[in-house]
Amino acid sequence: GDSVTQMEGPVTLSEEAFLTINCTYTATGYPSLFWYVQYPGEGLQLLLKATKADDKGSNKGFEATYRKETTSFHLEKGSVQVSDSAVYFCALSEGPSYDKVIFGPGTSLSVIP
Amino acid sequence: NAGVTQTPKFQVLKTGQSMTLQCAQDMNHNSMYWYRQDPGMGLRLIYYSASEGTTDKGEVPNGYNVSRLNKREFSLRLESAAPSQTSVYFCASSERRDRGNQPQHFGDGTRLSIL
Repeated sequence: GDSVTQMEGPVTLSEEAFLTINCTYTATGYPSLFWYVQYPGEGLQLLLKATKADDKGSNKGFEATYRKETTSFHLEKGSVQVSDSAVYFCALSEGPSYDKVIFGPGTSLSVIP
Repeated sequence: NAGVTQTPKFQVLKTGQSMTLQCAQDMNHNSMYWYRQDPGMGLRLIYYSASEGTTDKGEVPNGYNVSRLNKREFSLRLESAAPSQTSVYFCASSERRDRGNQPQHFGDGTRLSIL
């Protein structure tokens, strides 16, 4: 079945460091891919998405490119801030109905001043 | 701008008690979902409803029941709570996923402890 694998955390970075969170997926077709972010005490919210191969999703300085050849969707940011401290979830949904979303286990990020 | 509203935000139950978690969305979405979030396990789908009047089991449905009361509301019921059901529960909604590019919108969660 479909699955999403993320790098294990927690990840601790200094402010202004470069961030990469790896995500790979297994799917039978052509899924849509998402990154969600969860701040402490809150629900998940969409960070960015990509719906076909080579699409790049971007938002708030974060980017991820849909790589079908490597089945990956790695999240990157050039310069993290303390306010980026959160848990990041990679996710996919697949047809025909796309009703179900498969989430990865999440990667906790702490950014220290 | 309410989005997805869950009640209550916190609840403590004794083993064997029953309760219903409420969820309502004001975005006119067709699909609604219930997840549980446990440390180190990410989100696991309990039940979902693709449209009003339909419900389907997710990954971990045992011990739970759901009701899609109308298009706005989707409730989750624990008939006889067990300590293993201690978790954070999230409700979510989304547009009908014909193209698969519609994100899910989440509530802030219900933190449930079963003693």
